[in-house]
Amino acid sequence: SQTIHQWPATLVQPVGSPLSLECTVEGTSNPNLYWYRQAAGRGLQLLFYSVGIGQISSEVPQNLSASRPQDRQFILSSKKLLLSDSGFYLCAWRVRDRATGELFFGEGSRLTVL
Amino acid sequence: DAKTTQPTSMDCAEGRAANLPCNHSTISGNEYVYWYRQIHSQGPQYIIHGLKNNETNEMASLIITEDRKSSTLILPHATLRDTAVYYCIVSTFYNQGGKLIFGQGTELSVKP
Repeated sequence: SQTIHQWPATLVQPVGSPLSLECTVEGTSNPNLYWYRQAAGRGLQLLFYSVGIGQISSEVPQNLSASRPQDRQFILSSKKLLLSDSGFYLCAWRVRDRATGELFFGEGSRLTVL
Repeated sequence: DAKTTQPTSMDCAEGRAANLPCNHSTISGNEYVYWYRQIHSQGPQYIIHGLKNNETNEMASLIITEDRKSSTLILPHATLRDTAVYYCIVSTFYNQGGKLIFGQGTELSVKP
């Protein structure tokens, strides 16, 4: 069966520090991968998606970046965090090349920038 | 992708049916209607999706109007564990990576 792992689950970082959130998927190949962010009390915002290794599409301009160094690994990074980067970050995957399909979410990483 | 409009919040009595509406008047012919829900501090969970016909699974039923401009998610016997934010999304899988754009959703409170 397929599983998705995200880590760390919780982190507190000072403004200006770097960030690295990692997501891995097991039990499937060639998935579409996604990073979402949810600010406190608000809906989910799509940040990045990837349809293959090294292929990253950005949905909103920001000081975050994403990389996909391996087929089932998706990394969210920042060189210098801002207060506004605080939020709940969710990684998700989906089977590629199907007409429909559900999006499977990880358990999330809660980031607090102080 | 077509946008959706949902009520901000709804209440439902435990054991009763919860009917969550969604308007998607600009939906195009190849767009599906998806429903997800998010329990506090967890990742969203898929519930159901449909194109034209009504759909039912072990979690819920999806009723789509004939003109496809609106739909209703029905939880037949709501329990306290169904308290969550429910998102209605319309999308075609072949839109730039199969991405799903979530709106603000409906916060459903099931009360004893």
